[in-house]
Amino acid sequence: GQNIDQPTEMTATEGAIVQINCTYQTSGFNGLFWYQQHAGEAPTFLSYNVLDGLEEKGRFSSFLSRSKGYSYLLLKELQMKDSASYLCAVRDRGATNKLIFGTGTLLAVQP
Amino acid sequence: EPEVTQTPSHQVTQMGQEVILRCVPISNHLYFYWYRQILGQKVEFLVSFYNNEISEKSEIFDDQFSVERPDGSNFTLKIRSTKLEDSAMYFCASSDGLGGLDTQYFGPGTRLTVL
Repeated sequence: GQNIDQPTEMTATEGAIVQINCTYQTSGFNGLFWYQQHAGEAPTFLSYNVLDGLEEKGRFSSFLSRSKGYSYLLLKELQMKDSASYLCAVRDRGATNKLIFGTGTLLAVQP
Repeated sequence: EPEVTQTPSHQVTQMGQEVILRCVPISNHLYFYWYRQILGQKVEFLVSFYNNEISEKSEIFDDQFSVERPDGSNFTLKIRSTKLEDSAMYFCASSDGLGGLDTQYFGPGTRLTVL
């Protein structure tokens, strides 16, 4: 089966650092994506990992451990506009490259 | 910057009616997808489309659903006889299919409400 777990909600303070965890058990794996989704809007691409290790992209970093089925998204210097849902998605192995999404983590950034 | 566009942004329909949701993928992309998100739930894969045919579909994508690329730019999702449970946000996505990253870019979505 396909199972992707993330915390449902998190709260953090403006200027702080927050880590959003994702664990997965999927029948195929061809990369892990993080998307940001503001309420009522489309998911927008943030980060991608296919090999183990850390990928850094400005204020956002993402880490992957394939042996542990684990990833995290790290957001630094939090801003109020970072309040959104963060979706962990595993890309299936195969011709279609479909994405399998977790339920998302709703992050609230407080002043 | 190129983007995926979708029309309409909102669609309200009566149960049993047919709806067509339209998407214009990014112009040099080769792979097209439909996903849906029921309010408060996760994004779910519906169907993928490549080289003018369906490459994979989920259990949700039953005989009531169909996709088409009627010309070189549009990609449509048709629901033949809508049910109440089809109410959701429908997202179109596209990717170039090249290289390892092959990021899927999502359109703004069509909110479908079935009454």
